[in-house]
Amino acid sequence: DQQVKQNSPSLSVQEGRISILNCDYTNSMFDYFLWYKKYPAEGPTFLISISSIKDKNEDGRFTVFLNKSAKHLSLHIVPSQPGDSAVYFCAASLNYGGSQGNLIFGKGTKLSVKP
Amino acid sequence: EPEVTQTPSHQVTQMGQEVILRCVPISNHLYFYWYRQILGQKVEFLVSFYNNEISEKSEIFDDQFSVERPDGSNFTLKIRSTKLEDSAMYFCASRNGPLAGYEQYFGPGTRLTVT
Repeated sequence: DQQVKQNSPSLSVQEGRISILNCDYTNSMFDYFLWYKKYPAEGPTFLISISSIKDKNEDGRFTVFLNKSAKHLSLHIVPSQPGDSAVYFCAASLNYGGSQGNLIFGKGTKLSVKP
Repeated sequence: EPEVTQTPSHQVTQMGQEVILRCVPISNHLYFYWYRQILGQKVEFLVSFYNNEISEKSEIFDDQFSVERPDGSNFTLKIRSTKLEDSAMYFCASRNGPLAGYEQYFGPGTRLTVT
């Protein structure tokens, strides 16, 4: 029962280039999507989010795109920096109808940015 | 910048023993969550807590688990009789009300090892 899928377990990118991390979901009722960055032995750190009523949200080097018809979102990091190397988790939530927004996570994509 | 804190960072216990994991959420937040991550697996939702009661729980959160907010600042997760399969990283998270967005902020986690 994988409601949120990240099909690429790893991604390697050269410093300065664009990193594109992908995420697919199956539940069309999700109304909020988030990306988290995680280092080993630390908690997930919130990066950027997007509401289901939007198709793009930008914050500095990070942009999230949402394609509702395809049930697909992506995180673009440009330019990529070595410090961006971490595991990136996509998460989705439902925040209406009595639901309290618990996050459903993907399995993560390990990003390596090479100098 | 306010952050979620968790204690202890690492807890080792014997099977059948009770453990209490502690969290101090961000002070003005209203919604509180526990998640866990078994080694090599994805982050999984356990329980959400709002207005001094459980609002949602997953299938994992059985009768062996309980949560409490005893004093308006701490948020605890108790496992009554630990099993080997409870070994995992446990993360506490909190968020503000809906007008402030649906982003959840995570603590650094408690590594629980059941022997």
